[in-house]
Amino acid sequence: SQTIHQWPATLVQPVGSPLSLECTVEGTSNPNLYWYRQAAGRGLQLLFYSVGIGQISSEVPQNLSASRPQDRQFILSSKKLLLSDSGFYLCAWGDRVYEQYFGPGTRLTVT
Amino acid sequence: AQSVTQLDSQVPVFEEAPVELRCNYSSSVSVYLFWYVQYPNQGLQLLLKYLSGSTLVESINGFEAEFNKSQTSFHLRKPSVHISDTAEYFCAVSGDTGGFKTIFGAGTRLFVKA
Repeated sequence: SQTIHQWPATLVQPVGSPLSLECTVEGTSNPNLYWYRQAAGRGLQLLFYSVGIGQISSEVPQNLSASRPQDRQFILSSKKLLLSDSGFYLCAWGDRVYEQYFGPGTRLTVT
Repeated sequence: AQSVTQLDSQVPVFEEAPVELRCNYSSSVSVYLFWYVQYPNQGLQLLLKYLSGSTLVESINGFEAEFNKSQTSFHLRKPSVHISDTAEYFCAVSGDTGGFKTIFGAGTRLFVKA
């Protein structure tokens, strides 16, 4: 069966520091991969999605970036965090237009 | 472009009462519709989905949703809720020309009171 992992589970970082969140998927090949952010009390905001290695589509211009160095690995990064980057970050994988499967999330607090 | 509107941001209800969480969508193409549930500090889990066929779909824990094409709705219902149903519920839509993206509604927080 397929599983999706995210780490770390929680992270507290100062403003201006770098960020690296990692997501890996097991049990499937060539998945579509997604990064979402969920601000407190708000819905899901799609940040990036990828349909293959090295293929990244950005949905919202911001100081975040994403990379897909391997088929089942998706990384979210920032060179300098802002206070507004705080939130709950969710990685998901999906099979074309059907359902998406979400990881457990990373709670990021920027101080 | 596709969009999803969840008409209620919060729904308080007493235990064992019925509940309906409303969802309307807009799309110019065939759609696939989903309801996801999110418990505190967790990722989303698929609750049920409509891809084709019967317009009434059910989940294993007693929820059901009906695809109504004429009203562009996909409301979620449960005849008798439990305390454990307290969570955030997201309606979502994807479609044939939506690329690989799913559009999520803003969410409805269901709060079940004893």
